[in-house]
Amino acid sequence: QSVLTQPPSVSGAPGQRVTISCTGSRSNIGPLYGVHWYQQFPGAAPKLLIFGDSSRPSGVPDRFSGSKSGTSASLAISGLQAEDEADYYCQSYDSSLRSYVFGTGTKVTVL
Amino acid sequence: EVQLVQSGTEVRKPGDFLKISCKGSGFRFGSSWIGWVRQMPGKGLEWIGIIYPGDSETRYSPSLQGQVTISADKSISTAYLEWSSLKASDTAMYYCVRSQGHDYTLWFDPWGQGTLVTVSS
Repeated sequence: QSVLTQPPSVSGAPGQRVTISCTGSRSNIGPLYGVHWYQQFPGAAPKLLIFGDSSRPSGVPDRFSGSKSGTSASLAISGLQAEDEADYYCQSYDSSLRSYVFGTGTKVTVL
Repeated sequence: EVQLVQSGTEVRKPGDFLKISCKGSGFRFGSSWIGWVRQMPGKGLEWIGIIYPGDSETRYSPSLQGQVTISADKSISTAYLEWSSLKASDTAMYYCVRSQGHDYTLWFDPWGQGTLVTVSS
């Protein structure tokens, strides 16, 4: 049972913009600890999508963007494409648990 | 190219000993935090722990400490995850990761291809 809560699923038509929320608390998402996002296709290892709240590794399309406000973070996918169908996880550090933690995961479906 | 290559699929019985490996290349292995992440069948990601091969400093998830042992041999750029006595509940895919960042803001990149561990009598 994760301390970072994500919606189980989000969906959108090709070309639309979707957002995935990651809700935490002051012991995890906050000014001290960055939020990072991963994309995982079925049967494959996760891949880093966003680090440090809003930075993109080289090679990640700028359709993907991250933001953070208070104890919540969001991943936005603009210009949704069929190839974006995957599971997405947020991740941070929790000072109460003394552990790195992942969100519950969100499945993105392209209609 | 920065890469992590893990050992292959394992099928073991409850009570067995198991040690899986992760070999890094393309980066300074001894100067990087290497971690392990678990994904149980059909479930989400769970952080197990990390090790700094340079001095073998290790940090574990409090919920998993004592259940597994993380070690590393920097001379061959390889990290390990070990169980002294497997349980059926250890059945999962295990990923090794290079941890980047600073202080407690660590992210995981890249990920190994995963090692599937199945424990069944």
